[in-house]
Amino acid sequence: DVKVTQSSRYLVKRTGEKVFLECVQDMDHENMFWYRQDPGLGLRLIYFSYDVKMKEKGDIPEGYSVSREKKERFSLILESASTNQTSMYLCASRPTSGETQYFGPGTRLLVL
Amino acid sequence: SQQGEEDPQALSIQEGENATMNCSYKTSINNLQWYRQNSGRGLVHLILIRSNEREKHSGRLRVTLDTSKKSSSLLITASRAADTASYFCATDADSWGKLQFGAGTQVVVTP
Repeated sequence: DVKVTQSSRYLVKRTGEKVFLECVQDMDHENMFWYRQDPGLGLRLIYFSYDVKMKEKGDIPEGYSVSREKKERFSLILESASTNQTSMYLCASRPTSGETQYFGPGTRLLVL
Repeated sequence: SQQGEEDPQALSIQEGENATMNCSYKTSINNLQWYRQNSGRGLVHLILIRSNEREKHSGRLRVTLDTSKKSSSLLITASRAADTASYFCATDADSWGKLQFGAGTQVVVTP
């Protein structure tokens, strides 16, 4: 079975802090995605990566950056956390040859 | 921006009843997928229907797709309490495999 893990289930940070959210997948998938989920808005794509060191902006990249140094790991970085970045963050992966995405359990981030 | 919109936003039924939810989208697609999310957890893929398919079944799930109306429906037959979850439709409309999700339908199945 595909396993996608995220470094934390819950995280509390202060405004202005630099925040790292880590995602690791164990199935050698080429594509990885970061979403945020907010009530009434569904999932919105922040960034995605189709290969190591490659990244593309999604629908809402402002305030975020990403890093993909190794194939299995995709990191989401909040350079200076703000209260409007309080949300549920979901990571997903997908093989280039596949069509469905495999999701991690999510990280619920609270920025105070 | 959201591609899919689910209807209804919430649904409450009793065990044994059928649950139907609908999804509308705006642009042409490669495929449409349905995912389930149990409270506070990640999403799990349920079923995928391609743009050239009209109906698909998987266990107690039945999905239809009408590309002329840009809409899809998900039917869960003989609902169980374990079906309580949020259900999301997602459209795949580009070559990168990016998905556009709707806001979801929250389903509560009471024993």
